[in-house]
Amino acid sequence: GENVEQHPSTLSVQEGDSAVIKCTYSDSASNYFPWYKQELGKRPQLIIDIRSNVGEKKDQRIAVTLNKTAKHFSLHITETQPEDSAVYFCAANMDSNYQLIWGAGTKLIIKP
Amino acid sequence: EAQVTQNPRYLITVTGKKLTVTCSQNMNHEYMSWYRQDPGLGLRQIYYSMNVEVTDKGDVPEGYKVSRKEKRNFPLILESPSPNQTSLYFCASSWVNQPQHFGDGTRLSIL
Repeated sequence: GENVEQHPSTLSVQEGDSAVIKCTYSDSASNYFPWYKQELGKRPQLIIDIRSNVGEKKDQRIAVTLNKTAKHFSLHITETQPEDSAVYFCAANMDSNYQLIWGAGTKLIIKP
Repeated sequence: EAQVTQNPRYLITVTGKKLTVTCSQNMNHEYMSWYRQDPGLGLRQIYYSMNVEVTDKGDVPEGYKVSRKEKRNFPLILESPSPNQTSLYFCASSWVNQPQHFGDGTRLSIL
């Protein structure tokens, strides 16, 4: 079945620097890839998503890139700020039944 | 306001006492899902539903039941709770292949 691997599990960056989180997926039929941010004690919230007909999508300081050939997609956060500290999850859909398969999460720590 | 509502938000109970966590959405979404979240293990799917009367197992369905009699409601039932079901539970809903909207979570403690 579909598997999504997410790396790194923890990422610590200096405030103002960039952060990159990478996910790989196994099902070549997957066509929807969302990223969620979860702050401590709160629910996951969508921050950006991308579909397989697009290679890159950007929203202010956040961007996602997709490489369908290599079956990986990445989240890029530029000019990191303290409020970016959270756990980030990637996911990929299973086209056969629309189920989302989730990565294990990355804890992003922004050092002042 | 579009939302997914879970109840209760917190519950402490004892082993073997049946409990139900309710989930309701007001967005007419077809797809609903239950997850549990344990420290260091991310989100694990328990059950999901693609529409009324259509449910299927996720990755960790043992010890849980669900039903989808109406489009808006998707309750999670623990017939005989055990301590290993102590966890943070999230309900989510969406259109197919669209962003999932999560409830605020239910923190269950089974003693």
